[in-house]
Amino acid sequence: DTAVSQTPKYLVTQMGNDKSIKCEQNLGHDTMYWYKQDSKKFLKIMFSYNNKELIINETVPNRFSPKSPDKAHLNLHINSLELGDSAVYFCASGRAGAAYEQYFGPGTRLTVT
Amino acid sequence: QKEVEQDPGPLSVPEGAIVSLNCTYSNSAFQYFMWYRQYSRKGPELLMYTYSSGNKEDGRFTAQVDKSSKYISLFIRDSQPSDSATYLCAMRTGTASKLTFGTGTRLQVTL
Repeated sequence: DTAVSQTPKYLVTQMGNDKSIKCEQNLGHDTMYWYKQDSKKFLKIMFSYNNKELIINETVPNRFSPKSPDKAHLNLHINSLELGDSAVYFCASGRAGAAYEQYFGPGTRLTVT
Repeated sequence: QKEVEQDPGPLSVPEGAIVSLNCTYSNSAFQYFMWYRQYSRKGPELLMYTYSSGNKEDGRFTAQVDKSSKYISLFIRDSQPSDSATYLCAMRTGTASKLTFGTGTRLQVTL
């Protein structure tokens, strides 16, 4: 049983397109995160939701819009994709107050051509 | 300069060796220190976490934190080929819910 799942696993698209990535966790956690990992493996937080409320919003272009319909789901919509958006996007979940222990999904490898 | 610095490697060691992985940081407000392991094409998974200074041991893994030097280490004893992965250190302050990651060190354990 997958704890944190993401769809799709791979996404290849052209510049200027709009795409979405979906994340679901079945761990009963109340906090979910989106991270971006670049080609050098640097993992940087983008957003975090706690009980459907946005609590972390790092300096991310407003072409990126997260949405949390409920505690178990967190989606990421990206408008007007650019070459620099190519990366692996990871969803993670954890318990509030225990941010040291985050459970990561398998990642979505986005390639913008 | 990044808040958390980590040598990207790669670090190649023979099976059975003791491995030392390190991170330095600049933010003295960091209080929680984590090590995550990431296999190729997978998401990171938590190995160990330590609060404040000191040592913590879990099987073949030992985490050390020296807050006075702003330096943390992960030691792997009797390294195995299955330990081959990228090891990411991560840190957070006492109140923040976000983690700040190092760039990761790629470890290769050879037979």
